Amino acid sequence: DTGVSQDPRHKITKRGQNVTFRCDPISEHNRLYWYRQTLGQGPEFLTYFQNEAQLEKSRLLSDRFSAERPKGSFSTLEIQRTEQGDSAMYLCASRPLDTQYFGPGTRLTVL
Amino acid sequence: KQEVTQIPAALSVPEGENLVLNCSFTDSAIYNLQWFRQDPGKGLTSLLLIQSSQREQTSGRLNASLDKSSGRSTLYIAASQPGDSATYLCAVTNQAGTALIFGKGTTLSVSS
Repeated sequence: DTGVSQDPRHKITKRGQNVTFRCDPISEHNRLYWYRQTLGQGPEFLTYFQNEAQLEKSRLLSDRFSAERPKGSFSTLEIQRTEQGDSAMYLCASRPLDTQYFGPGTRLTVL
Repeated sequence: KQEVTQIPAALSVPEGENLVLNCSFTDSAIYNLQWFRQDPGKGLTSLLLIQSSQREQTSGRLNASLDKSSGRSTLYIAASQPGDSATYLCAVTNQAGTALIFGKGTTLSVSS
């Protein structure tokens, strides 16, 4: 399967812990996006990479959040000192041109 | 600031009906519009993408139209089936390569 993959699919953590998610985009897609989706809402943009460069960050991306794409391939999203409000589905998408292809998401639950 | 609204929030229909989902956006200067399907607890599947210069796109039983000047798009589903039950999301981009701005979605339930 050559689609976008995300790991882990589910993560349960205690408030205050750090978590890291990984996204492997479709190979050759130079653009990679992270979104967050809470229940009953559409996905909201967090950040965007073109190759290894982080070109845009949303106001939603507080100082506790950091994202990297070190070699322009996979990307990681880290949340430090998690809060209950961070509980959400974290979605990754990649695109060659116009259509964005989404991964299955990582469901984060902060207790 | 671009805002995307989808009406209705939920829709229940019997199998076989034709139906229309609506999407509106506040800033008509879009680059393209995309319709997605999302099954519960899953990621998004792209259904149709309409460039700003296009009026409609078709894929199987799905037809999406775009009226950029009025800030509206519709997704028409013909001969609905229980397998069409899902949440349908509309999203726009304002510039090439930028992030999608989503509506909250319409949750469709098709009963057999």
